[in-house]
Amino acid sequence: GDSVTQMEGPVTLSEEAFLTINCTYTATGYPSLFWYVQYPGEGLQLLLKATKADDKGSNKGFEATYRKETTSFHLEKGSVQVSDSAVYFCALPFALIWGAGTKLIIKP
Amino acid sequence: DAGITQSPRYKITETGRQVTLMCHQTWSHSYMFWYRQDLGHGLRLIYYSAAADITDKGEVPDGYVVSRSKTENFPLTLESATRSQTSVYFCASSDIARTSNEKLFFGSGTQLSVL
Repeated sequence: GDSVTQMEGPVTLSEEAFLTINCTYTATGYPSLFWYVQYPGEGLQLLLKATKADDKGSNKGFEATYRKETTSFHLEKGSVQVSDSAVYFCALPFALIWGAGTKLIIKP
Repeated sequence: DAGITQSPRYKITETGRQVTLMCHQTWSHSYMFWYRQDLGHGLRLIYYSAAADITDKGEVPDGYVVSRSKTENFPLTLESATRSQTSVYFCASSDIARTSNEKLFFGSGTQLSVL
């Protein structure tokens, strides 16, 4: 069946460091892919999405490119801030399949 | 207020008791979902609903009951709570049926402790 695999956390970085959170998926066809973010004490909210191969989603300085050949949708940010500390989830279409989440901790 | 709201925000109950978690959305979204979030498991789908009076099981439905008599409400009932149901529960909605937008909107969650 369809599945999503995310890198395990927590990921701890210093402010202004480069971030990559890996996400790979298995699915039939070419689904839309999503990254959601959950800030402490809050519900999840959509961060970005990509709807087709080679599509790049971006928001708040985060980017992710839909790589069909490697079935990946890695999340990247060039310079993280303390306010980016949160849990990040990779998800498959209509969000019925979720990764386990990756907790990101940014230290000042 | 507009949006999706869950109540209560926190709940403590005892094993064997019935508990109902409420979810209300003001957008008239067709789809609604219940998830539980546990350390090491991420989000797991309990039940979802495509429209009023239409519900379907998700990945972990055992021990839970849902109903959707009105589009805006989607209560989740634990018929006889167990300690393994201690979790954070999130409700979500989506307007995909009308807009083809797969984005989910989440409530703030209910933290449930079963003693």
